[in-house]
Amino acid sequence: GAVVSQHPSRVICKSGTSVKIECRSLDFQATTMFWYRQFPKQSLMLMATSNEGSKATYEQGVEKDKFLINHASLTLSTLTVTSAHPEDSSFYICSADPGLAGGGDTQYFGPGTRLTVL
Amino acid sequence: ILNVEQSPQSLHVQEGDSTNFTCSFPSSNFYALHWYRWETAKSPEALFVMTLNGDEKKKGRISATLNTKEGYSYLYIKGSQPEDSATYLCAPQGGGNKLTFGTGTQLKVEL
Repeated sequence: GAVVSQHPSRVICKSGTSVKIECRSLDFQATTMFWYRQFPKQSLMLMATSNEGSKATYEQGVEKDKFLINHASLTLSTLTVTSAHPEDSSFYICSADPGLAGGGDTQYFGPGTRLTVL
Repeated sequence: ILNVEQSPQSLHVQEGDSTNFTCSFPSSNFYALHWYRWETAKSPEALFVMTLNGDEKKKGRISATLNTKEGYSYLYIKGSQPEDSATYLCAPQGGGNKLTFGTGTQLKVEL
């Protein structure tokens, strides 16, 4: 149980284009999902907290207009990197929190998406 | 931003060896400490969530302890096996269920 999928696993795009990444909780509902990114040799850094039916909360230094987050249902959150540039190339990974009823505070992670912007 | 440190950065052990890693974190504003195991090309796997000072948890050959007063946690692996090879991440949890990750300890178990 507690499986989270992420799609795509890898994407290469041209500078200036937008890329959408999907995060799905497959066997549980998640009112809260989190988006992280990881640059080489660095730790996972929280970008934003996504709550179903409301606006996402972004961490300091993360541009909300560049990283659009939509959490339209209890099993799906999407991250859109708009007008991507090479410096946005990174590993993006999501997690889902089933809430106290589903498993306490444990966050369940997807496998991540490797984004390369040419 | 929390300063979370994990040591060692990497570790090579022989099959059958026991090993341990350290996670240190600020002891203020503490809610819980999470340990994850992350194999290449897979999702990070939740190992433990620990909340109380003195907590000790065990899952098979893996166990962890927590000291919230001094801000550290140890992860132990007894009788390491090649399948234990992975990166082990710790993350203290603050308000809003936000996790702050360390850079991890990369374990390689050799035959």
